[in-house]
Amino acid sequence: DTGVSQNPRHKITKRGQNVTFRCDPISEHNRLYWYRQTLGQGPEFLTYFQNEAQLEKSRLLSDRFSAERPKGSFSTLEIQRTEQGDSAMYLCASSLEGFDQPQHFGDGTRLSIL
Amino acid sequence: SQQGEEDPQALSIQEGENATMNCSYKTSINNLQWYRQNSGRGLVHLILIRSNEREKHSGRLRVTLDTSKKSSSLLITASRAADTASYFCATDAFSNDYKLSFGAGTTVTVRA
Repeated sequence: DTGVSQNPRHKITKRGQNVTFRCDPISEHNRLYWYRQTLGQGPEFLTYFQNEAQLEKSRLLSDRFSAERPKGSFSTLEIQRTEQGDSAMYLCASSLEGFDQPQHFGDGTRLSIL
Repeated sequence: SQQGEEDPQALSIQEGENATMNCSYKTSINNLQWYRQNSGRGLVHLILIRSNEREKHSGRLRVTLDTSKKSSSLLITASRAADTASYFCATDAFSNDYKLSFGAGTTVTVRA
């Protein structure tokens, strides 16, 4: 049983650089979510895909952030011109459709901005 | 903004004891979920309780839900060192079932 996979696990970059993270969801899950988690806090919702359609974006997702899910399979989250405040754990989750379906999380990508 | 709030923020117990943590939320929900997170890892789904359910059990876990008070509790019985983790409650929004709102979590330390 393969779970949600995220790559890379850690990313260290200089301020101003662009970074891209990848998420491979559980194969039969049509919903995919991105969350951001800072130290000592719970995850905060960033965006959500149903198949390949991005259906909602949080106000936390500034213009420097973009997410895609081509062909409704894996997803990428790109951050352009990174800032110190972008340092966080970026978590991806997937689920089946339905309000009683739990979300399954990957181990996240920890981003550190120098 | 985070809808759920867990209480206490931190809990330290001896192995074998029970651990209880509470969650309060603000708006109507379809369901409430509890997750566990070990340090540096992702979240692991523990249990989901629907808004029309009052209590649910899964192994050593017992969850209660009181929608009139907008609160839930998670009880871990006979705790083990492996239960050391942060525990989060998460609620959906009645009209947006895909969007989970998490509290800041309760950090549980189980001493051997």
